[in-house]
Amino acid sequence: QKEVEQNSGPLSVPEGAIASLNCTYSDRVSQSFFWYRQYSGKSPELIMSIYSNGDKEDGRFTAQLNKASQYVSLLIRDSQPSDSATYLCAVNIYGQNFVFGPGTRLSVLP
Amino acid sequence: KAGVTQTPRYLIKTRGQQVTLSCSPISGHRSVSWYQQTPGQGLQFLFEYFSETQRNKGNFPGRFSGRQFSNSRSEMNVSTLELGDSALYLCASSWEASGANVLTFGAGSRLTVL
Repeated sequence: QKEVEQNSGPLSVPEGAIASLNCTYSDRVSQSFFWYRQYSGKSPELIMSIYSNGDKEDGRFTAQLNKASQYVSLLIRDSQPSDSATYLCAVNIYGQNFVFGPGTRLSVLP
Repeated sequence: KAGVTQTPRYLIKTRGQQVTLSCSPISGHRSVSWYQQTPGQGLQFLFEYFSETQRNKGNFPGRFSGRQFSNSRSEMNVSTLELGDSALYLCASSWEASGANVLTFGAGSRLTVL
């Protein structure tokens, strides 16, 4: 049974701080890793994808992947109240279905 | 470029009825996946269709079924509805690329079973 685990939160950070979201996965052959953001009542939207070990930066977002530790994280710099949402970690092996974690609820306090 | 379109957006059914949900993927996407999302269980994978064939299937009872048409549009059907089937049903499409597959979700169909 492939599993993706995340801290359910809620994670509360003050506006302007760095939010750190973590995810671990069980299947060592996982190839692709994703972070989705889901606002309440909306569908998930892709924030970041990462395929190789190391860091990948996109604006205020940085994804970090460590395949040896089976760990992927998302850092949100200069957090804004509009970043308040549930963040879903997803893992994929080509040709197989995506497996999603339970999500971490982030609250950015003004 | 149009996104993933799901219809209907909201529907209310009673126990024992059946329901059909529709999903039109992004143009050029051949893979369509269906997920059930509930507050307690999160995003649970139902099935995936690729080029009209079911490629992967999640751990749901046989009351849940789906199909994909030659234009990549997909439908899922739930028969003999139960209260526990109340959920947000999400469809996602993707363009196949080894090691670089990305899911794009539709807005979802919210099903309430009374």
